[in-house]
Amino acid sequence: GAVVSQHPSRVICKSGTSVKIECRSLDFQATTMFWYRQFPKQSLMLMATSNEGSKATYEQGVEKDKFLINHASLTLSTLTVTSAHPEDSSFYICSARGRVNTEAFFGQGTRLTVV
Amino acid sequence: AQSVTQLGSHVSVSEGALVLLRCNYSSSVPPYLFWYVQYPNQGLQLLLKYTSAATLVKGINGFEAEFKKSETSFHLTKPSAHMSDAAEYFCAVEAGGYNKLIFGAGTRLAVHP
Repeated sequence: GAVVSQHPSRVICKSGTSVKIECRSLDFQATTMFWYRQFPKQSLMLMATSNEGSKATYEQGVEKDKFLINHASLTLSTLTVTSAHPEDSSFYICSARGRVNTEAFFGQGTRLTVV
Repeated sequence: AQSVTQLGSHVSVSEGALVLLRCNYSSSVPPYLFWYVQYPNQGLQLLLKYTSAATLVKGINGFEAEFKKSETSFHLTKPSAHMSDAAEYFCAVEAGGYNKLIFGAGTRLAVHP
């Protein structure tokens, strides 16, 4: 299947700082990317959907000013957690879909720890 | 609106035994249904998907699932469990085409010798 690379796999940051997570589709053009958040031993909660060149669509309850999503190219989307707090600590996962490959492929996830 | 219910947050089987992970869905339109597997600290890997073709779907690693509209179910099975099958399994639904996925709460499968 297609490959989606997410970076970094782990990050620790201090409260109040911002962290950027990258999601790249390595061998296909991702017209749509999704960002999920997963708390320990829980399911994936969709945070937002982004289409290349458009503003992201956020799910209800997700602060768009805190979780900035950029999808500037067909192979890259970024999630920036701004002014991070300990409660933002979580596992963040992206997935991507392309024009031809309608199946969603998932990145390996990023474990964010805010101290 | 679409939703997924996975019955049993934890399932434990013996190596070689049948694996049955339950998933029921709710959808106002014909659904697309998926099963994913997640190993610790990793993303999700697609096991199989139902997209309105054959109701019995075969996936990777010997898993299969049957779509039963009358029961609104899409249970995942494997005839003989391997130790390597121990992981978290998620059922997901998508309505009306390849849009966003709604995930169930997940079932943790443990396989013991």
